[in-house]
Amino acid sequence: QKEVEQNSGPLSVPEGAIASLNCTYSDRGSQSFFWYRQYSGKSPELIMFIYSNGDKEDGRFTAQLNKASQYVSLLIRDSQPSDSATYLCAVKRNRDDKIIFGKGTRLHILP
Amino acid sequence: NAGVTQTPKFQVLKTGQSMTLQCAQDMNHNSMYWYRQDPGMGLRLIYYSASEGTTDKGEVPNGYNVSRLNKREFSLRLESAAPSQTSVYFCASRRQVTNTGELFFGEGSRLTVL
Repeated sequence: QKEVEQNSGPLSVPEGAIASLNCTYSDRGSQSFFWYRQYSGKSPELIMFIYSNGDKEDGRFTAQLNKASQYVSLLIRDSQPSDSATYLCAVKRNRDDKIIFGKGTRLHILP
Repeated sequence: NAGVTQTPKFQVLKTGQSMTLQCAQDMNHNSMYWYRQDPGMGLRLIYYSASEGTTDKGEVPNGYNVSRLNKREFSLRLESAAPSQTSVYFCASRRQVTNTGELFFGEGSRLTVL
């Protein structure tokens, strides 16, 4: 079992709707959770991070963490065509500095 | 601001050749990482270094060696390149901060092994 799992997609969402991206992780000792966005041919860039159970909101983005279920998600409200990209979930363990990524979910926002 | 700089950006090798990917950061970060990215595979961790003088294996270390030359520089070496090492390689660095500390990535190095 890979440490960090994501549905590879593609996930197609109409413009203006809510896009929901999901990620599960296997190491219960995981400490911090990150969502990165990557456009084709570019480097990943940080969207949000979360480390406490519950929701964290930043503009149109909301990260949700449930450590008991080992589940982290990213909601994108009012989806825009510019949100079309691959979204990578990353997890940092508590015991070392290793940061592991999932395979990423490709998101298409349909105009 | 330069951030994380990787060289070279593109490289073509023949099977069995060796090469070194260079990475340098100017943000005074303690931790540095090497990832490879293949289509549909996300980013896979090759090696990382939590501080100058230390290195640790990641998910896919076989066929690679690394050197943390100083706090700024972290190099990745392929001693005998294989076609399976054709990939895009990303170097990243982060400041060690409890619970946070985002990764800052270089622009990537595209390597093709024939």
